[in-house]
Amino acid sequence: QKEVEQDPGPLSVPEGAIVSLNCTYSNSAFQYFMWYRQYSRKGPELLMYTYSSGNKEDGRFTAQVDKSSKYISLFIRDSQPSDSATYLCAMNRDDKIIFGKGTRLHILP
Amino acid sequence: EADIYQTPRYLVIGTGKKITLECSQTMGHDKMYWYQQDPGMELHLIHYSYGVNSTEKGDLSSESTVSRIRTEHFPLTLESARPSHTSQYLCASRPKGTGLFAFFGQGTRLTVV
Repeated sequence: QKEVEQDPGPLSVPEGAIVSLNCTYSNSAFQYFMWYRQYSRKGPELLMYTYSSGNKEDGRFTAQVDKSSKYISLFIRDSQPSDSATYLCAMNRDDKIIFGKGTRLHILP
Repeated sequence: EADIYQTPRYLVIGTGKKITLECSQTMGHDKMYWYQQDPGMELHLIHYSYGVNSTEKGDLSSESTVSRIRTEHFPLTLESARPSHTSQYLCASRPKGTGLFAFFGQGTRLTVV
């Protein structure tokens, strides 16, 4: 079983819709949870990170962590075509960062 | 924007050639990482370093080697490139201590023909 599972998509939604991206994990030792965005042919860039269970909001983005279910989510409100990218969840273990496979998101104008 | 640079961005090279992928960061970060990413696949950690003269192999076995002679520089070398080495290589860095997340370079897309 992979430590971090993420549906690779692709996920296509119309502009303005709310997007929900999710990951599950198996290692309860993970402490910090991150979401990266990666545009085609670019390196990943950090979007959000969180430590505890609950929600963290930053503009149109909300990161949600449920440690009891080992489940994390990223919500994007009022999605824009510029949000089209691959979104990777990531978690730290032993000072390494473990990534999910990434979900390809297409926002349709 | 993070100050971490990778060169070259794209490289096409013949089988058997020796290549070095460059990675430099100007943030003074102690920790540096190399990830390999195939299209549509997750990032796999192949090497990491906690500081000068520290290098460790990552979770994914790789025929490449790395060195860390200066804090800011973390080059990756393939002594004899093969088509199976074709991939995207991403370099990242993190500060020591309280730094939780990594900053990535733009990547080097390597094609071995």
